[in-house]
Amino acid sequence: GENVEQHPSTLSVQEGDSAVIKCTYSDSASNYFPWYKQELGKRPQLIIDIRSNVGEKKDQRIAVTLNKTAKHFSLHITETQPEDSAVYFCAAKRRGFKTIFGAGTRLFVKA
Amino acid sequence: DVKVTQSSRYLVKRTGEKVFLECVQDMDHENMFWYRQDPGLGLRLIYFSYDVKMKEKGDIPEGYSVSREKKERFSLILESASTNQTSMYLCASSGQVVAGWDEQYFGPGTRLTVT
Repeated sequence: GENVEQHPSTLSVQEGDSAVIKCTYSDSASNYFPWYKQELGKRPQLIIDIRSNVGEKKDQRIAVTLNKTAKHFSLHITETQPEDSAVYFCAAKRRGFKTIFGAGTRLFVKA
Repeated sequence: DVKVTQSSRYLVKRTGEKVFLECVQDMDHENMFWYRQDPGLGLRLIYFSYDVKMKEKGDIPEGYSVSREKKERFSLILESASTNQTSMYLCASSGQVVAGWDEQYFGPGTRLTVT
């Protein structure tokens, strides 16, 4: 079946450094790529998304890039802060079908 | 503000019991989902529903069933709970699956322990 691979599973950075999480997807018809953040004990929430007709999208300190040819997309967090510590999930879906989630990346930002 | 609520935050059941997990959303969303979250495995889809009385199997439907009698409510049923169903269960809803891009709104989760 279709799947999304996410790396790394755990990431530890120093406050102020950048963090990058990478995902690859198998369904070439995927056209929507959301990223969810789940803080400890809380529900996942959408933080940014990108559609297949766009190569890059930025929102303050976070950005996503998409390479449709290689079927991979990445989340970039700059100037990390302790409140960025959470589990991040990438996902991929195509029109009318279910969303496929990656396994998650646990990000630790050390003060 | 979208609100997705789940009937319990924590639940402890015995092996063999029938378990009902309820989810309610207040945004008139057509689509509702049940996921299971386990460490290192991410969010795995159990069942989803695109309309009232409609259901489709996700990736891990074995041992589960669902019910959607009203648009706002989606129930997950464990017919005979087993210890390997101990997990965090997350409900979600969304409104635009057909359009292709749909933000999913998650409930707070139910941590189920089967002893």
